[in-house]
Amino acid sequence: TQLLEQSPQFLSIQEGENLTVYCNSSSVFSSLQWYRQEPGEGPVLLVTVVTGGEVKKLKRLTFQFGDARKDSSLHITAAQPGDTGLYLCAGDDKIIFGKGTRLHILP
Amino acid sequence: ETGVTQTPRHLVMGMTNKKSLKCEQHLGHNAMYWYKQSAKKPLELMFVYNFKEQTENNSVPSRFSPECPNSSHLFLHLHTLQPEDSALYLCASSHPRTSGSSGELFFGEGSRLTVL
Repeated sequence: TQLLEQSPQFLSIQEGENLTVYCNSSSVFSSLQWYRQEPGEGPVLLVTVVTGGEVKKLKRLTFQFGDARKDSSLHITAAQPGDTGLYLCAGDDKIIFGKGTRLHILP
Repeated sequence: ETGVTQTPRHLVMGMTNKKSLKCEQHLGHNAMYWYKQSAKKPLELMFVYNFKEQTENNSVPSRFSPECPNSSHLFLHLHTLQPEDSALYLCASSHPRTSGSSGELFFGEGSRLTVL
């Protein structure tokens, strides 16, 4: 069974700080996706990473796919209150989701 | 506005009731999904439909019955549910995985179900 472990589960930091959250698995994925979910809404896709070692940037968000395509990280630079939400990673093959990292940015 | 609309947004039902959740997508996708989101658990894939045919049933109890009359509409019929079935039920759509796409999911806002 494929599993995705996300860490940390919860993170609360001050506005302006940098942070990194992780998505790890013992399985190889053909691609990984990152979603953000805000309260009362469904998850919204942020990015898909496909190639091992790939780095994608979305404004202040940097996503990296591990060389072995088993893990991914999301780095946020100078976090803003608007970054608050549940960050979910998902594996492509069976659309397996991790439990998510609940991020809270304090103004 | 993601192009995927779910109704109702909130539903409270007794264990003997029968109700249905509805999902409609206006994105031209041919794959539709039901997910269950409970506190402290990952999003759980329940059902997948590709081109109106059910291609995945992830060991879901028979008290949940999906229906996909066409590629734009998806229903989840609920019957004799249990309190532990209380959760947020999310519908999603995508291009079918066989088309070579990355299968990115577009979610609705969810139907919050409470079973008393």
